[in-house]
Amino acid sequence: DGGITQSPKYLFRKEGQNVTLSCEQNLNHDAMYWYRQDPGQGLRLIYYSQIVNDFQKGDIAEGYSVSREKKESFPLTVTSAQKNPTAFYLCASRVDRAPNTGELFFGEGSRLTVL
Amino acid sequence: AQKITQTQPGMFVQEKEAVTLDCTYDTSDPSYGLFWYKQPSSGEMIFLIYQGSYDQQNATEGRYSLNFQKARKSANLVISASQLGDSAMYFCAFRGGGSNYKLTFGKGTLLTVNP
Repeated sequence: DGGITQSPKYLFRKEGQNVTLSCEQNLNHDAMYWYRQDPGQGLRLIYYSQIVNDFQKGDIAEGYSVSREKKESFPLTVTSAQKNPTAFYLCASRVDRAPNTGELFFGEGSRLTVL
Repeated sequence: AQKITQTQPGMFVQEKEAVTLDCTYDTSDPSYGLFWYKQPSSGEMIFLIYQGSYDQQNATEGRYSLNFQKARKSANLVISASQLGDSAMYFCAFRGGGSNYKLTFGKGTLLTVNP
């Protein structure tokens, strides 16, 4: 079945370490997104990519980096510059259908805890 | 910038009754879209329903309907005949005009269905 796979599901890291969260989709969707969710909060956009080799900053990009070398993959790196990285991270792709409403399809998320 | 507001942090409903979850938005875009997503305790985001700003009729999907009042800038979700499995966080999301299809999410409402 088609879907989005995020790994790892749970990740612990020490302060000062970079960590990369994987997001792979086999839906053949062009656009992919990374959101961050904190307890009691909605989702906030970190980065998005509408096409391979191109990506844009979202509302809270500081301390994060991404790459989009393949259509299927959109990994997110949480760098040591991110001041408060403990959060739930959700990857999504935009559903391609006419008319394009902008509906997003989400992965199951990765929970990052900084010790 | 668009703003989306969910004023109910938590709601309770008896099984088999209907419940309305509130969502208001603020925009000057003539073309936009509104979404509702469900997030169970497992964390994944599940798309429920979409309403476009130019749609003449309120959207419906099974037990979900969207009470769209454009002049009041509200897009409330109505769940009929609540089931225990409806207990979850519910997020309203806004998509403005333009081609980047970024979604802005509200802070969510935690719905608890009582037996």
